[in-house]
Amino acid sequence: NAGVTQTPKFQVLKTGQSMTLQCAQDMNHEYMSWYRQDPGMGLRLIHYSVGAGITDQGEVPNGYNVSRSTTEDFPLRLLSAAPSQTSVYFCASSPWDIRTGELFFGEGSRLTVL
Amino acid sequence: RKEVEQDPGPFNVPEGATVAFNCTYSNSASQSFFWYRQDCRKEPKLLMSVYSSGNEDGRFTAQLNRASQYISLLIRDSKLSDSATYLCVVKAETGNQFYFGTGTSLTVIP
Repeated sequence: NAGVTQTPKFQVLKTGQSMTLQCAQDMNHEYMSWYRQDPGMGLRLIHYSVGAGITDQGEVPNGYNVSRSTTEDFPLRLLSAAPSQTSVYFCASSPWDIRTGELFFGEGSRLTVL
Repeated sequence: RKEVEQDPGPFNVPEGATVAFNCTYSNSASQSFFWYRQDCRKEPKLLMSVYSSGNEDGRFTAQLNRASQYISLLIRDSKLSDSATYLCVVKAETGNQFYFGTGTSLTVIP
């Protein structure tokens, strides 16, 4: 039972490089989201999507792009990496009725920008 | 002002102790409340939802005080396996954003 799968688990980038963090879920969840987690800051929402073709910004969207071409996939793109983007990134999905609160998280992607 | 504030701890308690965590939220329109658990270097997982009347799940009891915009989690008879970070989460009725607290660290000592 795969659930939410994130790749890569670890990545080191140089300032200015671009990359994509992949996220896939096999639970047919409409809602998908990306968070970053930094010490002392908690989890902060970057972008989210309530269905294929629909995306919206969260608290900290600057420097990141997303797209949702299928229900299963929700990639996060860093266009020009900066040291401030060093963080742990989590993808999470949920059934459409997100009032239930069950966010299912991937295992996380640890990104270091030098 | 942060949407959700928690005492970061750390809380170090002996096995068998009772420990309580508190959380406050700033948006009075918040309608859904949750506690998540996060083990070291792992992803968060839902521990329990928090209902208006309070709710219990085994050794865990969650309470909500809407007037004071305050949520609590009580853990009775602490086990070594309860060692983790506990995240308070709130969501407004409208919009699609969950707001996470910074988490409270708990270590249960043998």
